[in-house]
Amino acid sequence: QLQLQESGPGLVKPSETLSLTCSVSGGPITRTSYHWGWIRQPPGKRLEWIASVSYSGSTYYNPSLMTRVTISADTSRNQFSLKLNSVTAADTAAYFCARDKYCGGDCFSDWGQGTLVIVSS
Amino acid sequence: SYVLTQPPSVSVAPGQTARITCGGNNLESKSVHWYHQKPGQAPVLVIYYDGDRPSGIPERFSGSNSGNTATLTISRVEAGDEADYYCQVWDRSSDHRVFGGGTKLTVL
Repeated sequence: QLQLQESGPGLVKPSETLSLTCSVSGGPITRTSYHWGWIRQPPGKRLEWIASVSYSGSTYYNPSLMTRVTISADTSRNQFSLKLNSVTAADTAAYFCARDKYCGGDCFSDWGQGTLVIVSS
Repeated sequence: SYVLTQPPSVSVAPGQTARITCGGNNLESKSVHWYHQKPGQAPVLVIYYDGDRPSGIPERFSGSNSGNTATLTISRVEAGDEADYYCQVWDRSSDHRVFGGGTKLTVL
């Protein structure tokens, strides 16, 4: 049973960098058929895909965020990470990590429980 | 970038059939996936590749995709089906993943 768990600070100051890690258990992130992604959801709002990464380091970014986002994978730790810089209050959201799997077109088959990040001074 | 449009809300009585739509340009050329999300929880994949169900998802959930509209159909709706439902596609031309705006399903 694949499990994903987000970790990172729950409070980030404006203009600083938000850093989150997703730890994957129950299977390696090195499976070639999978990518690994981050999705966020501001309170009361819609889901927004942020970025996805393959174990080999290929990256894909939401164009609306790509100037501020970096996603990376650490195969030795079976983890992948997200960095979002120059945050503002608009980046306050629940952040989810997920397995990004080819389902005839990529879908998110397994999700972490999510972590709430508040941007505030 | 590609845009998916969903109605904000759908209401249905228990035991009836709920249909939630997702619109996009030439949507039938893409594979549509559906998630439900209950308050305070992570989304759960309920339909992938237009109409396939992951293991553990009841047969009451089905999907279709034709023209510019995909539809999630929930038969014999139960109170426990009340949730937000999101459609999602992978845009092959850009390698981007796109979510619809979500539909709140209310069971009357």
